[in-house]
Amino acid sequence: DAGITQSPRHKVTETGTPVTLRCHQTENHRYMYWYRQDPGHGLRLIHYSYGVKDTDKGEVSDGYSVSRSKTEDFLLTLESATSSQTSVYFCALGSGINQPQHFGDGTRLSIL
Amino acid sequence: DQQVKQNSPSLSVQEGRISILNCDYTNSMFDYFLWYKKYPAEGPTFLISISSIKDKNEDGRFTVFLNKSAKHLSLHIVPSQPGDSAVYFCAASAVHSGAGSYQLTFGKGTKLSVIP
Repeated sequence: DAGITQSPRHKVTETGTPVTLRCHQTENHRYMYWYRQDPGHGLRLIHYSYGVKDTDKGEVSDGYSVSRSKTEDFLLTLESATSSQTSVYFCALGSGINQPQHFGDGTRLSIL
Repeated sequence: DQQVKQNSPSLSVQEGRISILNCDYTNSMFDYFLWYKKYPAEGPTFLISISSIKDKNEDGRFTVFLNKSAKHLSLHIVPSQPGDSAVYFCAASAVHSGAGSYQLTFGKGTKLSVIP
């Protein structure tokens, strides 16, 4: 999807280091979401945002924090990465109730 | 507690035949249902959705059926094509109060293989 960009696309890092993933949109959507995808689990919601500086926790928020200082950018931070956070992370945009969310191409994060 | 279940991890279908992917849910508050398709190394792509006020929605080769009493939905692909080979995720949402936001709950996915 041309309107949503995730960076980096791949990252390898060590346990205990901080990691920040960025989601950037050009669509002016109000809602932004971070998911992780793991084998046997499908996609699980980590955090979401419903406006600038408005965020809330999802199903698997422990160990993660988020920030949204402007409409376009939604950052996901792992303060001290652990091996259990090795995963593929997807950002999604939403335009409201009963509308589909649209996903970025993901960030593959490996924590050694 | 898994609220959205896709009990078949995989499905193989011959090209030209019908593919039927199934999904069950437990939360009676879900009122909007979606199917996503995912290729390796790409993000999920929205395929089709249905509101709880309907029991069927069609878009080309894709049809979603909703049976609210059984808490069951299915995706039919007719005719199936090799390019349809992907992982299909079922998702459901319910309106959350307060911010008016909504969250999607996903199933674990079904890998569809369409054999030429």
